[in-house]
Amino acid sequence: AQKVTQAQTEISVVEKEDVTLDCVYETRDTTYYLFWYKQPPSGELVFLIRRNSFDEQNEISGRYSWNFQKSTSSFNFTITASQVVDSAVYFCALSNTGNQFYFGTGTSLTVIP
Amino acid sequence: EPEVTQTPSHQVTQMGQEVILRCVPISNHLYFYWYRQILGQKVEFLVSFYNNEISEKSEIFDDQFSVERPDGSNFTLKIRSTKLEDSAMYFCASSEGLNKYFGPGTRLTVT
Repeated sequence: AQKVTQAQTEISVVEKEDVTLDCVYETRDTTYYLFWYKQPPSGELVFLIRRNSFDEQNEISGRYSWNFQKSTSSFNFTITASQVVDSAVYFCALSNTGNQFYFGTGTSLTVIP
Repeated sequence: EPEVTQTPSHQVTQMGQEVILRCVPISNHLYFYWYRQILGQKVEFLVSFYNNEISEKSEIFDDQFSVERPDGSNFTLKIRSTKLEDSAMYFCASSEGLNKYFGPGTRLTVT
């Protein structure tokens, strides 16, 4: 069975602080894909990143970085020097086929100016 | 930059009525999906569609639901007889590979 757990329901940080959003996944498949999406207050889902199970390299994109650790089944997301525009709900998702995504329950991030 | 579009942005309907939610996927994408998000809850998979047929569907996608690609650009989700619990945000998505791009959603309110 596929499952994604985002244990942090809500996080508040002050602008310019760093914040890490946790994602733990469960799957029996050896090939799978992990994703992060951002859902701003306007409601749309914005694709941020995909990671393949066979590629454990960490990734950095501007202020965003992702730490994929197969040993702990985690795919954590760090925002450095947070900004008010980062306020959103962030979803981690898992897929084995690329068809069905299993989303976590999301972490609501509030960045306080 | 190409994007997935959905209409309407908000639909209000009475219980028992049929609704059709419309989506225009990104033009060169071959895979299409519907997901829903009940308010405050996680996003749930409904169905995937490829080569003019359903490739995968979830338990939520029962006989009340159907999907169609009536022409070369639109992808629709029909709910035959809406129930109160169908109230949710419905997201269409498309992909050419593994990365899914979601539309802005249609908020369906069933009264």
